[in-house]
Amino acid sequence: KQEVTQIPAALSVPEGENLVLNCSFTDSAIYNLQWFRQDPGKGLTSLLLIQSSQREQTSGRLNASLDKSSGRSTLYIAASQPGDSATYLCAVPSSGYALNFGKGTSLLVTP
Amino acid sequence: DAGITQSPRYKITETGRQVTLMCHQTWSHSYMFWYRQDLGHGLRLIYYSAAADITDKGEVPDGYVVSRSKTENFPLTLESATRSQTSVYFCASSARTSGTQGETQYFGPGTRLLVL
Repeated sequence: KQEVTQIPAALSVPEGENLVLNCSFTDSAIYNLQWFRQDPGKGLTSLLLIQSSQREQTSGRLNASLDKSSGRSTLYIAASQPGDSATYLCAVPSSGYALNFGKGTSLLVTP
Repeated sequence: DAGITQSPRYKITETGRQVTLMCHQTWSHSYMFWYRQDLGHGLRLIYYSAAADITDKGEVPDGYVVSRSKTENFPLTLESATRSQTSVYFCASSARTSGTQGETQYFGPGTRLLVL
């Protein structure tokens, strides 16, 4: 069974800092990896989807990388802002249909 | 631009009662999913559907029933609610499977269910 782990579980940084969130997975035979954001009491919002053939994807201040051989992905957030405070989840396909999620990293960006 | 909606958003019920959570999407996506989110467990798949009248079990299906008579609707029924089913339930949809073609999933806002 695919296991997805996210480290750290929680992170607090001052505004303006660049930061990296980590995601690891046990089965490297994945088709893609997705990063989601979840605000308190809300649903999940897709941030980035990286196909297995890609090494990274960028959207604004977000950059996600994927290294299938090592079973790792990172989400880089540049110039963090208080509005970035949320829980960030990574997910990989499970048996080709649904998603297998990590437990998330709770990020707090302080003014 | 309605997207994917869930109702009710909050529900309190008692042990043994039947509860139905509704999910509706306006994109005509083929795939729909039900997840539950619990502290310490993260998100876990309950059931999924690849098309109308096609459903299959996920990781934690016991105590739940689903149906999909129309592409846009995917209700989840708790036949006899138990306290362990207190959770936040999320519905999601995607145009294709998350496998080979890498289609993202879009999530609803969730239903917070408390079983007393």
